[in-house]
Amino acid sequence: GAGVSQTPSNKVTEKGKYVELRCDPISGHTALYWYRQSLGQGPEFLIYFQGTGAADDSGLPNDRFFAVRPEGSVSTLKIQRTERGDSAVYLCASSLGSEQFFGPGTRLTVL
Amino acid sequence: RKEVEQDPGPFNVPEGATVAFNCTYSNSASQSFFWYRQDCRKEPKLLMSVYSSGNEDGRFTAQLNRASQYISLLIRDSKLSDSATYLCVVFLSGGYNKLIFGAGTRLAVHP
Repeated sequence: GAGVSQTPSNKVTEKGKYVELRCDPISGHTALYWYRQSLGQGPEFLIYFQGTGAADDSGLPNDRFFAVRPEGSVSTLKIQRTERGDSAVYLCASSLGSEQFFGPGTRLTVL
Repeated sequence: RKEVEQDPGPFNVPEGATVAFNCTYSNSASQSFFWYRQDCRKEPKLLMSVYSSGNEDGRFTAQLNRASQYISLLIRDSKLSDSATYLCVVFLSGGYNKLIFGAGTRLAVHP
């Protein structure tokens, strides 16, 4: 069946711009996670949704980052006033149990 | 101190070699433990779960020592296709429900 999908696969933007990254989880998975992976590092937790609500957003680095999941399926990660330090691969994962299935990620480059 | 620490490598080994990776974690409340594999510019994929009793999957053996907060992965008879980054991962449940990743250990298997 279909796995987790993310769009766009690559996003290049200029410092100060606003970006939206989309995640389509595996159908029926109630839990959805966003992670960020910088070069040479493991993925770093950002936020976790159970259904429509953000159960844990403790990993969001600051208030420029926000995520929504209005219907309990697709999620959008929104980054305002992007900075060069936001450049990374943003990974989405979904799960029913403890195993999380990852999407291919969105590579964000802030110039 | 990082929550999950791994030797970054790289480990350069010939085909057929046995190689071992180690990992330590700091949060004693960690509930579940995993090894993920990540190929270059790809998403992480679950390799295997890790149990205190030890578990084996073909050429791969994983071991957990809760008292020492130490996790290991042994790969026997290395193949060229084993070349990847191996991520040590702990899962915090009980309301957290997030994966904490190590930075990964890079393995390069050569002919």
